[in-house]
Amino acid sequence: AQSVTQPDIHITVSEGASLELRCNYSYGATPYLFWYVQSPGQGLQLLLKYFSGDTLVQGIKGFEAEFKRSQSSFNLRKPSVHWSDAAEYFCAVGRDSWGKLQFGAGTQVVVTP
Amino acid sequence: DTAVSQTPKYLVTQMGNDKSIKCEQNLGHDTMYWYKQDSKKFLKIMFSYNNKELIINETVPNRFSPKSPDKAHLNLHINSLELGDSAVYFCASSQEGASGNTIYFGEGSWLTVV
Repeated sequence: AQSVTQPDIHITVSEGASLELRCNYSYGATPYLFWYVQSPGQGLQLLLKYFSGDTLVQGIKGFEAEFKRSQSSFNLRKPSVHWSDAAEYFCAVGRDSWGKLQFGAGTQVVVTP
Repeated sequence: DTAVSQTPKYLVTQMGNDKSIKCEQNLGHDTMYWYKQDSKKFLKIMFSYNNKELIINETVPNRFSPKSPDKAHLNLHINSLELGDSAVYFCASSQEGASGNTIYFGEGSWLTVV
C-alpha cells in the first residue's frame, strides 16, 4: 500500500539554527514529491517539488530537499531558520496523472528566540 | 491576483443545513480538486475534475456534491451538514505538463458545524 510518513510530529528549533524535516514514502514507482507549508490559519503553499533529474531541489524561502531513492526519502532542509518559518509542513507524493496527492501527517515546527 | 480563490473563508452553520463553498482559479488549469483537512490536520482528496468531468471521487458521502460549471470553477455543495463535516476544505488546481503535475491550493474554507 502507498504511504507517506513524516516521523516527527513536532520539532522545536532555535532561530538561526538549521532545520531538517523527514519524509519517507512507500510507492510502487518513483513518485512526484512535494513539500507544502501551512502557516497558522492559512492555506497550503508549495515550497518545492521533485519530478525527475537533479535529486537536490531548491525551493522558495531558502528551503531545499534531497530525493534519495535508496532510502525512499525526501527530506526538507533549511540552513538557518527564521521566526516566520514556524508553521506546519506537509510532505506529499503522487504519480497519478490527475494529480491525486497523498499527504503525510505533517510536522509542526516551532521556532524559539 | 489570487490564483485559486475560494469563498467563504469562514463558515459557521447549524447541523442539518445545506451550504456551498465556491472556488475559482485563474491559472488556466484543466484540473480542479477538493481536499479536506480534518481536525488532526490530515489532508485527503475528496474530488477531482478535469475539464468539468469528474475523475476522482474518494468515497465521499452523497451529501457532498461538487459542481463544475466550467473548467475555472469547482463548487462544493454539502447537504444536511453533520458535526463531523467540520473541517478545512481546500480547493486546488493543476495542469499536467512536461515537468509533471503541480497542484496549487487555495487559502481554505474553515467550516464549523454546530
